[in-house]
Amino acid sequence: DIQMTQSPSSLSASVGDRVTITCRTSQSTSSYLNWYQQKPGKAPKLLIYAASSLQSGVPSRFSGSGSGTDFTLTISSLEPEDFVIYYCQQNYSPPWTFGQGTKVEIK
Amino acid sequence: EVQLLESGGGQVQPGGSLRLSCAASGFTFSNYAMSWVRQAPGKGLEWVSVISGSGSSTYYADSVKGRFTISRDNSKNTLYLQMNSLRAEDTAVYYCAKRDGFGTVFGVPKGMDVWGQGTTVSVSS
Repeated sequence: DIQMTQSPSSLSASVGDRVTITCRTSQSTSSYLNWYQQKPGKAPKLLIYAASSLQSGVPSRFSGSGSGTDFTLTISSLEPEDFVIYYCQQNYSPPWTFGQGTKVEIK
Repeated sequence: EVQLLESGGGQVQPGGSLRLSCAASGFTFSNYAMSWVRQAPGKGLEWVSVISGSGSSTYYADSVKGRFTISRDNSKNTLYLQMNSLRAEDTAVYYCAKRDGFGTVFGVPKGMDVWGQGTTVSVSS
């Protein structure tokens, strides 16, 4: 099974900051890596698919990069609604797996 | 409007069974792979299972293999998760999700773009 290592588990930042979240897979997943945002009490929302493709309707301040085993999610300028939890997920090979999540908190 | 609506959650004793349903609307259900994802209280997301659009291919997380069965009825636009031999650690909110792209499980670099609101399963005595 492909293991996911997402870091950091939490970070503190301010509105307007640029933040980067990292996801590493235990073996190559090519570009089969997605990023989700989850607000409290809500279902996850797809932000980025195929490592770097922005899902329709998602603000352009979100971007993704990477391939193989190392991936990043970048938020270029944090907005108040961005202080929630983010997950990476691989769907290269079942069992699909999620990272442990990164909680973005207000500094 | 594209929508997924889960039902069937509830409280059950350890060793018991439940069947979750996920009613889909607003898209051609049979064209898409569908998945179940769960989230234990205060924990992260855990992928549970996926089924191809035709229903011919299914895959499971190790934690549920042999106990859970995913299936679909494309004539009813409904996804199911039969959960047997339930354990306390199966307590979670269960979400169904549509995987964008084609109906095959492999070779589709797309994410889960539509999610239900979730249904809660509680396993306790």
